[in-house]
Amino acid sequence: EAGVTQSPTHLIKTRGQQVTLRCSPISGHTSVYWYQQALGLGLQFLLWYDEGEERNRGNFPPRFSGRQFPNYSSELNVNALELEDSALYLCASSLRGLAGVETQYFGPGTRLLVL
Amino acid sequence: AQSVTQLDSHVSVSEGTPVLLRCNYSSSYSPSLFWYVQHPNKGLQLLLKYTSAATLVKGINGFEAEFKKSETSFHLTKPSAHMSDAAEYFCVVSDLTRGGSYIPTFGRGTSLIVHP
Repeated sequence: EAGVTQSPTHLIKTRGQQVTLRCSPISGHTSVYWYQQALGLGLQFLLWYDEGEERNRGNFPPRFSGRQFPNYSSELNVNALELEDSALYLCASSLRGLAGVETQYFGPGTRLLVL
Repeated sequence: AQSVTQLDSHVSVSEGTPVLLRCNYSSSYSPSLFWYVQHPNKGLQLLLKYTSAATLVKGINGFEAEFKKSETSFHLTKPSAHMSDAAEYFCVVSDLTRGGSYIPTFGRGTSLIVHP
C-alpha cells in the first residue's frame, strides 16, 4: 500500500513569491492535515480538510490556504512568502475526520527555503 | 485549552540501557495521547496511542507508555535502547476544541541520542 506522498521534496523561493505544495493521501483516507515544522518550533497545525471541506485551521495568517480535491488529494498555498515561512511542511492523512482518535500517517514533507 | 510539554529537549543513553522520554499534558476533557517518532529526513511514524482504554499502552519497537491522569503524564519508555532508536520523538495530545472537533497539539520534541 502506498503511503502519503508529497511534492516537491525541496523548494527554494524568494520573499514575496507564492508557492503550492501537494499531498496525496493513502488510498481510502478522506482527511488531510497540514503542519509546519520550523526549526526550533516543533510541529504547528496549519489546516485540516475532510471530505473536501476545510474543517479547522491553526493560528496562521490568511495567506496560508489550501483545498482538497474530489480524489482527497490536497494543495497548500502560501502567498507573499516571508523569510520565516522557511520550514518543513508535513502532510498527514487519516481514515476518518476524527483527529482525536484516528492515527495520522505522515508524508516525508516538503522543505521550503525562502531567501 | 490543551497543551503538551516534553520535559527534555535531548536525552542521551547508552545502547542496552533503559529509555525514558517525559511528557506532561493539559486538556479540558478526556484526551487522546500519541507518541510519534521522526528519523532524520523522514516523515513521522506512530509509535503508540492512548484513547481511554488500558492505561499502559504498548507500541512498536518495544516502546510503551503509561497514561497517569493524576500526574497528567504520558511518559514513553523502553527497557533497552538500540542504536536504531536514535531519532526525534514527539508527544501529542488531541482533545475537543471549542468548535467540537479534535485538533492535535504537538510537543516540541525530544531528541534521543544513543551511544554505542
